Parts: sequence; C-alpha cells; structure tokens
Amino acid sequence: EVVLVESGGGLVQPGGSLRLSCAASGFTFSSYEFNWVRQAPGKGLEWVSFIDRSGATIFYADSVKGRFSISRDNAKNSLYLQMSSLRAEDTAVYYCARDRPGPLDAFDIWGQGTMVTVSS
Amino acid sequence: EIVLTQSPGTLSLSPGERATLSCRASQSVRATQSVGGSYFAWYQQKPGQAPRLLIYGASSRATGIPDRFSGSGSGTDFTLTINKLEPEDFAVYYCQQYGSSPFTFGPGTTVDIK
Repeated sequence: EVVLVESGGGLVQPGGSLRLSCAASGFTFSSYEFNWVRQAPGKGLEWVSFIDRSGATIFYADSVKGRFSISRDNAKNSLYLQMSSLRAEDTAVYYCARDRPGPLDAFDIWGQGTMVTVSS
Repeated sequence: EIVLTQSPGTLSLSPGERATLSCRASQSVRATQSVGGSYFAWYQQKPGQAPRLLIYGASSRATGIPDRFSGSGSGTDFTLTINKLEPEDFAVYYCQQYGSSPFTFGPGTTVDIK
C-alpha cells in the first residue's frame, strides 16, 4: 500500500523551530517529486514547497522563503521540512504530497497531516 | 503568481443533481504540447481528511475516480462537473495550477446538501 506518514508537529513558541518528517512506503521513493502543503484551521490549502527527485530543484512559497527548508533522504525514504523563525500565521496542518508519475503530474498521494501550532 | 478564483463559493444541491464548479486563473496556465493538457488539477476534501486528487491535466481522471467527475478547460477558464451527485460527493473542492511556481490553489467551493 502506498502511504505517506507525517510526524514532528506540535506546539512551538513564536520565533522557534520545528522539523517535520514524512515517511514513505509502498513505492520507490527516489523516483518521485514531493511537496509540502499546509492548511490553517478553517482555511483553504496553501502550497509551501517542492523538491525534485535528487533535491537539486527546490521551490518555496514567498510566505516561507528564507525561513523554511525542504530536504529529502532517498536512502531513508523520507521527506523533511525544517521550519524556523515560526510565526502565528504558520499555524496549520502540514501535509506532504507526492507528485504523480508522468507528465501533467499533480499531487496524487497525501499524508494524513501533522498539526503545527505556533503560540506563546 | 497565478491567482485562482473559484465560483460559486457555495453550491447547494440535492443528490442526483449536477454540480458545475468554475475556476478562473489570473493568467494562462501552462500547458504541455507533448501529451496535451494543462498543468491544472481538482481536489476534493472532506472534513478531517486530506485532499484527494480527482482530475489532473485539466481533464484526466485520477486513479479510482468515478466517471461522474469530469474536468474541462484550458488557458484561464476551467470547469469541474459532477453528474448525478452522490451523498459522498458533498465536500469542498479546490482547483490548483502546478505549471509554474508557486503552485497555487483556489479558495475552494463547498458543495452542500440543499
């Protein structure tokens, strides 16, 4: 079964840091590109970051550029999001999402999400 | 940045009816000439669940998606049609363009039971 499982969320103070992880199973992790998408409570979806198969190509939303860092470890079948200088507006459920194979990809597999709360 | 606008915000319908959801982009969404289609998708999300991919390439159904769901459009105007609404189709629907970073989502359309 193809599964993504996020972890690492929790309560953090403004200005603090947190590292999210996304563990993949059921497919060849190194063959896929990935994204982080977040959803603030009661709000819509916001794309956060993208990483290609090798980690050579990375994109960020302007709202997190310079504060968040995406990475992957293909040997451990894992995706990461290092978050620093956290703000109240970063409070959200964070999902990792896989790009479907082939052209015209889109995000075909999503994890269940991990909640990040930034509050004093 | 490509801004996506969805309409209506809420659609109140009865089971068995047809739902037509629209999404308009602030600029043309990138398309591929090799296989045809645009870098445009539709997702469904139910309360407490992760989003589910319905349509990719503007008109291709994702694996396991029933054929009552169909997508169309290109350039700046896209449509998701749900024929004969089933009880499980009442949810929030998001459009997304993934052709150019940032890969933006629309604000969502809620399809609820009339």
